[in-house]
Amino acid sequence: GAVVSQHPSWVICKSGTSVKIECRSLDFQATTMFWYRQFPKQSLMLMATSNEGSKATYEQGVEKDKFLINHASLTLSTLTVTSAHPEDSSFYICSAPRGRWQPQHFGDGTRLSIL
Amino acid sequence: DAKTTQPNSMESNEEEPVHLPCNHSTISGTDYIHWYRQLPSQGPEYVIHGLTSNVNNRMASLAIAEDRKSSTLILHRATLRDAAVYYCIPQGGSEKLVFGKGTKLTVNP
Repeated sequence: GAVVSQHPSWVICKSGTSVKIECRSLDFQATTMFWYRQFPKQSLMLMATSNEGSKATYEQGVEKDKFLINHASLTLSTLTVTSAHPEDSSFYICSAPRGRWQPQHFGDGTRLSIL
Repeated sequence: DAKTTQPNSMESNEEEPVHLPCNHSTISGTDYIHWYRQLPSQGPEYVIHGLTSNVNNRMASLAIAEDRKSSTLILHRATLRDAAVYYCIPQGGSEKLVFGKGTKLTVNP
């Protein structure tokens, strides 16, 4: 069964709305989680590394004020897309390694559509 | 990050073996070679990883060239459920995974 759970699976909302996506590790603790986004027919692009109890590390070109990441517990990281616009429509995916340097478990992704 | 080169697409028939190649000529000596796959509309799934020796698990085998500049993922008997995009990812020094374009595998019945 799934070891990393993402919620919601899909969301449609109006432009200007903020949207929160949750990523949970179900049977292990994750001090680090990763957030990706994927546009149609493209590969995954790493957005940021979520660190439990400290600030997230963003990849170059990713707006930290636009994509707020909170990792308040060892089993939950959240990504909030603030003031979302149609160009933010994408497939957002999180991952977490079961332990340091272990293979990563991925969530099933959240499809975000901004009208 | 080490650059990887994979075929854009490959095709196989059901029940036949599939060899998916990956070139990673700039890999560093301590980078592991990871393979993940992504089925349509899902998050990626771990397949296998290795450092120098060939590796086997219930899903696949990984053959790593002696100079480590290339590797091959082997699916021994492809099934329709193996149709996916396969990504070869060198990883070392950081837990981040940097995805390339991958190989889209089509499995014909």
